[in-house]
Amino acid sequence: GQNIDQPTEMTATEGAIVQINCTYQTSGFNGLFWYQQHAGEAPTFLSYNVLDGLEEKGRFSSFLSRSKGYSYLLLKELQMKDSASYLCAVRDGDYKLSFGAGTTVTVRA
Amino acid sequence: IAGITQAPTSQILAAGRRMTLRCTQDMRHNAMYWYRQDLGLGLRLIHYSNTAGTTGKGEVPDGYSVSRANTDDFPLTLASAVPSQTSVYFCASSDSGGGGDTQYFGPGTRLTVL
Repeated sequence: GQNIDQPTEMTATEGAIVQINCTYQTSGFNGLFWYQQHAGEAPTFLSYNVLDGLEEKGRFSSFLSRSKGYSYLLLKELQMKDSASYLCAVRDGDYKLSFGAGTTVTVRA
Repeated sequence: IAGITQAPTSQILAAGRRMTLRCTQDMRHNAMYWYRQDLGLGLRLIHYSNTAGTTGKGEVPDGYSVSRANTDDFPLTLASAVPSQTSVYFCASSDSGGGGDTQYFGPGTRLTVL
């Protein structure tokens, strides 16, 4: 299997910025995904990186460094609805997704 | 609205019983997947199918079987349920099994084995 590490929990204030880091070790690499999962719901796609650099999508941005086995998800202008788990997933050489355990973000007023 | 449906939403099952979790997608996606999600472990791949008529084993296949008779349906069967199979099960699909295609998830089935 793959080794994917991300922090278990993070807390931030409404309107602030939070950065969720993800490090990985994988046999082959075919992209890194970030998903958002609200409690009791299905994961929903947020972003995809396959080349090094920053991908920006509104308030959310995702960064990848393949040489370092590192990615982060940046959430700006935090809103209460952003309270959720954020899952880092790596697609390996066989095109299978392996997921980290997820980071639970709590946004406080 | 196109998407993935799963049934049942939740189920309590006695150990030793047989159970089939259903998954149907209407997006004409070629690839489908079954994951289980357990607290602290994240999503783990059980079985997958890259196209109708083919299946493959994921990270945790023991105790589970799948079939893919057509594009839309991908049922997951527990032949003889055990308490360690208590989990939330998610079905997902993607346009193909490779490239940058995104996996889309169904709403999940919460299964409790007593």
